[in-house]
Amino acid sequence: AQTVTQSQPEMSVQEAETVTLSCTYDTSESDYYLFWYKQPPSRQMILVIRQEAYKQQNATENRFSVNFQKAAKSFSLKISDSQLGDAAMYFCAYSYQGGSEKLVFGKGTKLTVNP
Amino acid sequence: NAGVTQTPKFQVLKTGQSMTLQCAQDMNHNSMYWYRQDPGMGLRLIYYSASEGTTDKGEVPNGYNVSRLNKREFSLRLESAAPSQTSVYFCASSEVRFGNTIYFGEGSWLTVV
Repeated sequence: AQTVTQSQPEMSVQEAETVTLSCTYDTSESDYYLFWYKQPPSRQMILVIRQEAYKQQNATENRFSVNFQKAAKSFSLKISDSQLGDAAMYFCAYSYQGGSEKLVFGKGTKLTVNP
Repeated sequence: NAGVTQTPKFQVLKTGQSMTLQCAQDMNHNSMYWYRQDPGMGLRLIYYSASEGTTDKGEVPNGYNVSRLNKREFSLRLESAAPSQTSVYFCASSEVRFGNTIYFGEGSWLTVV
């Protein structure tokens, strides 16, 4: 079974600085998707960024970028120029492409942004 | 564009009572899901439906039933609520044609006393 591990239960960063959240996963599949979701206090699940495993190029969305290392099964999220609004729980998730698209989630990392 | 809509947003139940959480999506997605989120945990899959007319168990299906009423609607039923089912429930939908991205509803807070 696929598993997703987030080894940092909590992280903090100063406003305007850069922070990296870690994620590793375990799968025997070669085609899959990886995601980072943000969950603010409102509990809404917001997609931050997604990566297709067949793409070597790391995905980027404005201040958010990933470091995807397929061989190492690692998928970290880098947040540049951190803002107070970035404070939230961040969940890493995996989805197998070949079957149902259901997501497997990590347990999350709580990010605090200090002014 | 409403996306994924789930009702009710909040509910308090007594142990043994039954209730149904309703979910509808307007994105013409084939796949729909019910997840629960407990403190310190990520989201765990209860049931999913890969297409209209099909449902499958996820990681934590015990105590729940689902119905895929049509392509838009996917309901979750608690037949006899237990305090262990106190949680936040999320409905979601996705479509392979749109890159497997899963879109979530706003969540339903359920407390069983």
